[in-house]
Amino acid sequence: QSALTQPASVSGSPGQSITISCTGTSSDVGDYKYVTWYQQHPGKAPKLMIFDVSNRPSGVSNRFSGSKSGNTASLTISGLQAEDEADYYCSSYTSSSTLVVFGGGTKLTVL
Amino acid sequence: EVQLLESGGGLVQPGGSLRLSCAASGYTFSSYAVSWVRQAPGKGLQWVSGISGSGESTYYADSVKGRFTISRDNSKSTLYLQMNSLRVEDTAVYYCAKGPPVGVIIKNFDFWGQGTLVTVSS
Repeated sequence: QSALTQPASVSGSPGQSITISCTGTSSDVGDYKYVTWYQQHPGKAPKLMIFDVSNRPSGVSNRFSGSKSGNTASLTISGLQAEDEADYYCSSYTSSSTLVVFGGGTKLTVL
Repeated sequence: EVQLLESGGGLVQPGGSLRLSCAASGYTFSSYAVSWVRQAPGKGLQWVSGISGSGESTYYADSVKGRFTISRDNSKSTLYLQMNSLRVEDTAVYYCAKGPPVGVIIKNFDFWGQGTLVTVSS
């Protein structure tokens, strides 16, 4: 069982927007502005998409955005494209000895 | 161009040992923390261990504490993970993951290697 809770799957049609939620606790998501989102295509290494809740690394499309409210963080992808189909993982810094906790991952299907 | 190349994975019996390596290039290795993150077959990501840029500070997930040891050789730009008393549940692809820079807590990873598969089975 993962420390952060994500929906197992979401789907959307090309051009639409989708949002993936990531729910933690007051010891991780709720207490720190250190939520991160990764994209992972099958058989590939994860790729950093959003860091520190809402910041995009250079080279990541502005169609990807992040936010947080209380113990829940969200990743929104607007203008869905076929290449966005992948698994998405959230993570957060935590006050426990395990520095970083991940969500179980969400499979995004572009219909 | 940043590159992280893991090696050392393979098949090992329960109770056995394995040493993973991660050769880094394309950036100043000693200026960044580095971590190991694993992914069991068909499962999600799990942070395993991290080490500061100087190597003075090390961190472990509870599930591997006392069995795994992380270290780094900045003169060789190489990260290591010594894994002892391996269990079936340690079976996973082990990724080497870069970041953050020195002085910043280990909170995310801006570049990942392609991973090396560790299989623990009799």
